[in-house]
Amino acid sequence: AQSVTQPDIHITVSEGASLELRCNYSYGATPYLFWYVQSPGQGLQLLLKYFSGDTLVQGIKGFEAEFKRSQSSFNLRKPSVHWSDAAEYFCAVGASSGFNKFYFGSGTKLNVKP
Amino acid sequence: GAVVSQHPSWVICKSGTSVKIECRSLDFQATTMFWYRQFPKQSLMLMATSNEGSKATYEQGVEKDKFLINHASLTLSTLTVTSAHPEDSSFYICSARQARSNEKLFFGSGTQLSVL
Repeated sequence: AQSVTQPDIHITVSEGASLELRCNYSYGATPYLFWYVQSPGQGLQLLLKYFSGDTLVQGIKGFEAEFKRSQSSFNLRKPSVHWSDAAEYFCAVGASSGFNKFYFGSGTKLNVKP
Repeated sequence: GAVVSQHPSWVICKSGTSVKIECRSLDFQATTMFWYRQFPKQSLMLMATSNEGSKATYEQGVEKDKFLINHASLTLSTLTVTSAHPEDSSFYICSARQARSNEKLFFGSGTQLSVL
């Protein structure tokens, strides 16, 4: 069955520290992979996406993610976290054709300590 | 975990007809539901926010008469695409925010609408 797992519900990091948010997926077809962020009171914002090609993708706000097919993972990283990065982050996977199904992880809430 | 059921997952309709998409929170009460639209290989676009018992708030550029949203109960919101045209063909996703929680969002698996 298709699924997306974000094993960390809450993560707290200090400002300036590095960050890695985990995402694992189970998907029968070739996946399209996304990371979204939701700040309090706002809608989802796309951070980055992977469709094909280079498995290390760069996104907005200094985020990057690496697609590892052998591990079925698409972890999100940032070398130095800013206080404004505190938000909830969602990993999602869609079909490579038609987008007839789209699955979100349960989200990881990021807290940033001063 | 909480489950959001979205139905149908796939629908084909003729141009000029209306299509209703349902979004149900199965095991929790959702005071707020969101409707998104996604074109292939693009980001989700927020269409509207619906709060139970009140009118939906539409994002700029979204036609409220075209996309009717009803959130009549704490577990059900519907999106009706009225007089559908081929350009309305898209992937629609709902999400629900659990009552008494400003943080947790749960997503439906989406509806692929194809208008002929």
